[in-house]
Amino acid sequence: EAQVTQNPRYLITVTGKKLTVTCSQNMNHEYMSWYRQDPGLGLRQIYYSMNVEVTDKGDVPEGYKVSRKEKRNFPLILESPSPNQTSLYFCASLPNRNSYGYTFGSGTRLTIV
Amino acid sequence: LAKTTQPISMDSYEGQEVNITCSHNNIATNDYITWYQQFPSQGPRFIIQGYKTKVTNEVASLFIPADRKSSTLSLPRVSLSDTAVYYCLVGDPPGSARQLTFGSGTQLTVLP
Repeated sequence: EAQVTQNPRYLITVTGKKLTVTCSQNMNHEYMSWYRQDPGLGLRQIYYSMNVEVTDKGDVPEGYKVSRKEKRNFPLILESPSPNQTSLYFCASLPNRNSYGYTFGSGTRLTIV
Repeated sequence: LAKTTQPISMDSYEGQEVNITCSHNNIATNDYITWYQQFPSQGPRFIIQGYKTKVTNEVASLFIPADRKSSTLSLPRVSLSDTAVYYCLVGDPPGSARQLTFGSGTQLTVLP
């Protein structure tokens, strides 16, 4: 089944403890992106990647890092998480930059205490 | 990216046709209009995309007037399972890296 898989689905952790949220797609998509969703703010783009080794900042990149060493994987790294990064995170992919409609993952509910 | 305005919420009954209108007065010449559906605790799901006039697929229709300053998502004969948040997005051509800026969306509640 074609899909975007995120892990973990839920995570509660403490301030300052580094964490990584993994994202993997099995559709050979070139373009991948991370979003966070907060009540009243909709989805906001954190980082995106046009292809392997090509990444760029979205609208809210502060406090996050990403890497794209392989086409299928696009992990989101929080080096020193803080409570304001408590949110619902989504990874999404597109076949290429000329494609319609993202495929989104099921989301990661992250709580930083 | 063009700003969009949608109703915060709408109620409908099973079997009815639902029309959700999105206003995007500042739409640019190259902008496309895209609609997504999101269920609680799930990622958004692409519904339909268009540039002008009318687009129809197996799920919905999208009506875009000539001035393109608004668009209407039409869901025929809704069921309870269509209860979700619907997002209208307006942005660069389909593949633009910065295409997706989601607003607050429209919460559609389908009642029995």
